[in-house]
Amino acid sequence: GNSVTQMEGPVTLSEEAFLTINCTYTATGYPSLFWYVQYPGEGLQLLLKATKADDKGSNKGFEATYRKETTSFHLEKGSVQVSDSAVYFCALTTNNDMRFGAGTRLTVKP
Amino acid sequence: NAGVMQNPRHLVRRRGQEARLRCSPMKGHSHVYWYRQLPEEGLKFMVYLQKENIIDESGMPKERFSAEFPKEGPSILRIQQVVRGDSAAYFCASSPRGSPDTQYFGPGTRLTVL
Repeated sequence: GNSVTQMEGPVTLSEEAFLTINCTYTATGYPSLFWYVQYPGEGLQLLLKATKADDKGSNKGFEATYRKETTSFHLEKGSVQVSDSAVYFCALTTNNDMRFGAGTRLTVKP
Repeated sequence: NAGVMQNPRHLVRRRGQEARLRCSPMKGHSHVYWYRQLPEEGLKFMVYLQKENIIDESGMPKERFSAEFPKEGPSILRIQQVVRGDSAAYFCASSPRGSPDTQYFGPGTRLTVL
């Protein structure tokens, strides 16, 4: 079945550091891939998405490229801020439901 | 255009009671999804509904859990005879007709079973 595996956290970085959160997937067919962010006490917000191979999703300085050959969708940001502290979820969908990774908690320190 | 609304935001129940969680989708959205998030875990798909139809309930526990999305009014997730293991955050998402891969999430209902 479809599944998503993402890097375990927590991840702690200093402000302005480079961020990578790894995500790999297993899916039948051609999934759409997503990154969601969850701030404390809130629901998930869509951060970015890519719907086909080699697409790059980007938003708020974050980006991820849909790599079919490595079945990956790693999240990157060149310079993180304290306000980026949150839990990040990688997800995929092929049909009616969405499969999420376990989430990676990011803490950015000043 | 209001976002996805969920209520209550926090719900406390004693073991054996019933919990009813409500979700009002975004205006114009006819697809509703329910997810459960256990502490320190990711979201687990529970059920996907359209108006008056359950499309996919493969993630729903076989007993005590049910969901509906009536023609009028919000979608309801009902948990009967709650147990401590039901304590979790329950998130609802909605999507426009024909676009199930674009879901907008509500703020969630945090259920605590004493």
